[in-house]
Amino acid sequence: DIQMTQSPSSLSASVGDRVTMTCRASQSIYNYLNWYQQKPGKAPKVLIFATSSLQSGVPSRFSGSGSGTDFTLTITSLQPEDFATYYCQQSSVPPYNFGQGTKLEIK
Amino acid sequence: QLQLQESGPGLVKPSETLSLNCNVSHGSIDSTTYSWGWIRQPPGKGPELIGSSYSSGSAYYNPSLKGRVTISVDTSKNQFSLMLSFVTAADTAVYFCARLGYNGLINQWGQGTLVTVSS
Repeated sequence: DIQMTQSPSSLSASVGDRVTMTCRASQSIYNYLNWYQQKPGKAPKVLIFATSSLQSGVPSRFSGSGSGTDFTLTITSLQPEDFATYYCQQSSVPPYNFGQGTKLEIK
Repeated sequence: QLQLQESGPGLVKPSETLSLNCNVSHGSIDSTTYSWGWIRQPPGKGPELIGSSYSSGSAYYNPSLKGRVTISVDTSKNQFSLMLSFVTAADTAVYFCARLGYNGLINQWGQGTLVTVSS
C-alpha cells in the first residue's frame, strides 16, 4: 500500500492568516492527490482534486500544489468556517489511502 | 442533487456480521462512470476505503480486511449494501457510503452511521 503522511498533525492560526500543510506519499502518485475538509460530525467534503483542481463551489482561497511524492494545501486569508480537519488522499493505486489528517484550530 | 443515506444496526456483537444499506436518491445507481463504496473512520483517525463496486458487479475490496467484505449493488432498488463478517472491536467506526469517480475521487458521501462492536 502507498502510505500517506500529513504534517503537521495540528496547526493553530488566526482569522486572516495564510496557512500551509503538507502531505507526503511513500512512492510517486504523479498528480493523483485529493484534499478533503471534515468538520466534526460531518462527512469529508472534496476541496481539491488532481493536486490543484478546485472542486466546484470551493472558495479560491484554497489552493493545492505538488507532484510525485510531495504536496501542499494552502489556505490564504483564513475564515472562521475553515477551522476543521484536512485529509489528503491518493487516488493513484487502490485502496486509495488517506493521510491521518491535519487539524486546523483557532489561535 | 444526488443523496446517499446509510441505514442499519448501530450495535453489533463480536464475531457477528455487520450489515449496512445505502439508499441512493435523486440519481441512478446504474452507472458505468461511478462506483459505489463504503468508507469507515474509527474515532479520531483518518478515513479508510473498505471497498467499492460498479453496478455491473465488478468490485474491489481492501486487502486489509482479509476477505471479510462483500459489497452488493441492487439497481432495482437503487441501493447498495455492505456486509463485514467476523467483526471485532477494531471494526468500531463511523461507516460512510459514497460515490467514487473512476479516478478514486470520493465526490459524494452519505452522512455516516456509527457502528459499535460490543457484547
